[in-house]
Amino acid sequence: ELKVEQNPLFLSMQEGKNYTIYCNYSTTSDRLYWYRQDPGKSLESLFVLLSNGAVKQEGRLMASLDTKARLSTLHITAAVHDLSATYFCAATSWSYGGSQGNLIFGKGTKLSVKP
Amino acid sequence: NAGVTQTPKFQVLKTGQSMTLQCAQDMNHEYMSWYRQDPGMGLRLIHYSVGAGITDQGEVPNGYNVSRSTTEDFPLRLLSAAPSQTSVYFCASSRTGPMNTEAFFGQGTRLTVV
Repeated sequence: ELKVEQNPLFLSMQEGKNYTIYCNYSTTSDRLYWYRQDPGKSLESLFVLLSNGAVKQEGRLMASLDTKARLSTLHITAAVHDLSATYFCAATSWSYGGSQGNLIFGKGTKLSVKP
Repeated sequence: NAGVTQTPKFQVLKTGQSMTLQCAQDMNHEYMSWYRQDPGMGLRLIHYSVGAGITDQGEVPNGYNVSRSTTEDFPLRLLSAAPSQTSVYFCASSRTGPMNTEAFFGQGTRLTVV
């Protein structure tokens, strides 16, 4: 059974600092997703990582995937207040009908960036 | 381009009442699913469908029914609501197989059962 664990669950940062959110998953998964959620809103897709060694960057966020270690990271560079949100990673599960799009989510990392 | 549309956005039910949460997508996606989001729990898969006429259970299916009569629509039914079903519900859709590179989420339905 696929399990996805994120850490930390809460992260309070100062503007301008760097930090990394970690996402571990327990069994083979063929793709890894990162989403952002603002309070009371839906999920916004940030990155989809499809293969070992994949790295994607958008602004101050960079995501990477190591399938051998079953680890994905979301690195935040020079944080700004606008990045305050909850970030979720999700992996696809073979347990429920294969890789048809069933996502198993981590519990989320609530990021607060303070001036 | 509407994407994934959920209705209603908010709903309050009394214990034992029934209701249907609606989900529609206009992207001709084969795959649709329902998740519930509870504080500190992330999103958990309730039911999913890989095409019209095909549905299956996810992690937390008890208390919920689904059907998929068309590609576009995937309603979620609560037959007898319980306070434990108070949650935010999200519908998602995507393409299947190797073409599945992104899941699109609706805006959510906030359900309170009293």
